[in-house]
Amino acid sequence: KQEVTQIPAALSVPEGENLVLNCSFTDSAIYNLQWFRQDPGKGLTSLLLIQSSQREQTSGRLNASLDKSSGRSTLYIAASQPGDSATYLCAVIVPGSARQLTFGSGTQLTVLP
Amino acid sequence: DGGITQSPKYLFRKEGQNVTLSCEQNLNHDAMYWYRQDPGQGLRLIYYSQIVNDFQKGDIAEGYSVSREKKESFPLTVTSAQKNPTAFYLCASSPTVNYGYTFGSGTRLTVV
Repeated sequence: KQEVTQIPAALSVPEGENLVLNCSFTDSAIYNLQWFRQDPGKGLTSLLLIQSSQREQTSGRLNASLDKSSGRSTLYIAASQPGDSATYLCAVIVPGSARQLTFGSGTQLTVLP
Repeated sequence: DGGITQSPKYLFRKEGQNVTLSCEQNLNHDAMYWYRQDPGQGLRLIYYSQIVNDFQKGDIAEGYSVSREKKESFPLTVTSAQKNPTAFYLCASSPTVNYGYTFGSGTRLTVV
């Protein structure tokens, strides 16, 4: 059974810092990995989708990498801002799962002004 | 703009009452999903549907029911058999396995 772990569970940084959020998964046979952002009381907003054949994706200040062989993904946030404060979730889809996402428990990020 | 619309945003249920949460998408996605989110427990899959008139139970389907009569719509009914329904409910859709998921803004259900 696929398990997804996110470390750290919470992170607090001063504004302007570059930071890395980590995601690890136990089954390397994945279709894709998706990073989401969730603000308190809100739905999930998709940030980046990495397909199994890709190694990274970039969108603005965000860069996500994928290493299937080691079962790891990282989300890099450059020049963090207070508006980046949210919970960040990673999720994977594995073959045979009828396209069900398996989520990590999330990293709660606070960027201090 | 294409997206997923969930309604209502807040819903209150009395003991013994059935309530229905609405989920509509205009993305032309084949698959739709319902997740439940509780504090400290992450997201858990309730039901999913890969095609019209077909749906499958997820990890926590007891006390819930769904229908998929139209491609665009996937309503979730929380029945009186669900003993602890207070939670945040999220609907999602996806086109194919190699594309990502899109989520709605959620419905917060509270038992009163």
